[in-house]
Amino acid sequence: EVQLVQSGAEVRKPGESLKISCEGSGYNFTTYEIAWVRQPPGKGLEWMGIIYTGDSDTRYSPSFEGQVTISVDKSINTAYLQWGSLKASDTAIYYCARRETYYYDSSFGTYFDYWGQGTLVTVSS
Amino acid sequence: DIQMTQSPSSLSASVGDTVTITCRASHSVRRFLNWYQHKPGKVPKLLIYAASSLQSGVPSRFSGSGSGTDFTLTISSLQPEDFATYYCQQTYITPPETFGQGTKVEIK
Repeated sequence: EVQLVQSGAEVRKPGESLKISCEGSGYNFTTYEIAWVRQPPGKGLEWMGIIYTGDSDTRYSPSFEGQVTISVDKSINTAYLQWGSLKASDTAIYYCARRETYYYDSSFGTYFDYWGQGTLVTVSS
Repeated sequence: DIQMTQSPSSLSASVGDTVTITCRASHSVRRFLNWYQHKPGKVPKLLIYAASSLQSGVPSRFSGSGSGTDFTLTISSLQPEDFATYYCQQTYITPPETFGQGTKVEIK
């Protein structure tokens, strides 16, 4: 059974650092990308970035470039999302998701087929 | 970035109704458009990919259509478990693979 299990809820103060995790199991971890998606309180889903778990290549949304770092440890099938200096506006639920690829009309499309349970990050003084 | 705009932002409907949600892209995304259902306290669930392909296990009352910039998600004969927020997502241009702002389907 495919599973993505995320680390637990965190409470931090503004300016503090944080690293949350997403462990994959039940599939060949390095053959799928892992993305991170943010959901601020009462708001919609925001695509943050993605890591190609096989070679650790990353792509970020311009909105999040420089604000967060996505990384992976292939030896333990785990992806990470980290902040160097948190802001109150980083308060949100953060989901990791596995990205599946399909071939259609001479191009490749993607979708998220499995999601982690979400990690609530609260940043408050 | 490609902007995705859903309408309406929310709607009220009754069990048994047919509901239509639209999603418009700021530039053509061909048919690389997904739909997700998200319930409070749960994780998002893929319903439709490639604009009209039903994900395995998703009831056939969900259907998708469209190409280019205009897409539609239709829920036929709305069931109690369908009350949720629905998001479209384009994956033609990445990064980012932008989501729409969501459409909340509420009980009338």
